[in-house]
Amino acid sequence: DGGITQSPKYLFRKEGQNVTLSCEQNLNHDAMYWYRQDPGQGLRLIYYSQIVNDFQKGDIAEGYSVSREKKESFPLTVTSAQKNPTAFYLCASTVGQMNTEAFFGQGTRLTVV
Amino acid sequence: AQSVTQLDSQVPVFEEAPVELRCNYSSSVSVYLFWYVQYPNQGLQLLLKYLSGSTLVKGINGFEAEFNKSQTSFHLRKPSVHISDTAEYFCAVSDPPDYDMRFGAGTRLTVKP
Repeated sequence: DGGITQSPKYLFRKEGQNVTLSCEQNLNHDAMYWYRQDPGQGLRLIYYSQIVNDFQKGDIAEGYSVSREKKESFPLTVTSAQKNPTAFYLCASTVGQMNTEAFFGQGTRLTVV
Repeated sequence: AQSVTQLDSQVPVFEEAPVELRCNYSSSVSVYLFWYVQYPNQGLQLLLKYLSGSTLVKGINGFEAEFNKSQTSFHLRKPSVHISDTAEYFCAVSDPPDYDMRFGAGTRLTVKP
């Protein structure tokens, strides 16, 4: 079955460490997105990519980095510069630039210990 | 970029009662509108979407929404809710030129027996 796979489901990080969240899709979608979810704040856009080897900052890109070397993969790195990284992270994809529907992964819950 | 306001953070209702979850967006330019549902510790699932055409949109699980361009609203309704409808509901908007999807803060619907 086609879909989006995020791994791991739960992730613990020590302060000062970088950590990478995985997002893979087999839907043949062109566009991929990373959102951060905090209680009462909805989903905030971190980065998005509409084509391989290209990506744009969203509303809260500081302290995060991404790459898009393959169409299927859009990993997110949470760097030590991110002041408050504990959150639920969601990856999504859409068919193309015309964003008619987003398909979501099951999320990764990151906790800084 | 668009912004989305969900007017109620929490909506408690009794089983079999009707419910309306309210959503307003910031601009009257051509937009795509969506409602998603999220169950605990999961990703988001599309309930319904408005791209063009009829302003009354029907979705899954008996939900429907009405697009009102003059009031820049896209309220979600269900005539009779079930316990299983208890979840978080997100309104989202996507508009040109980038079609990056923006979400509201969410409405927590709690259905009581």
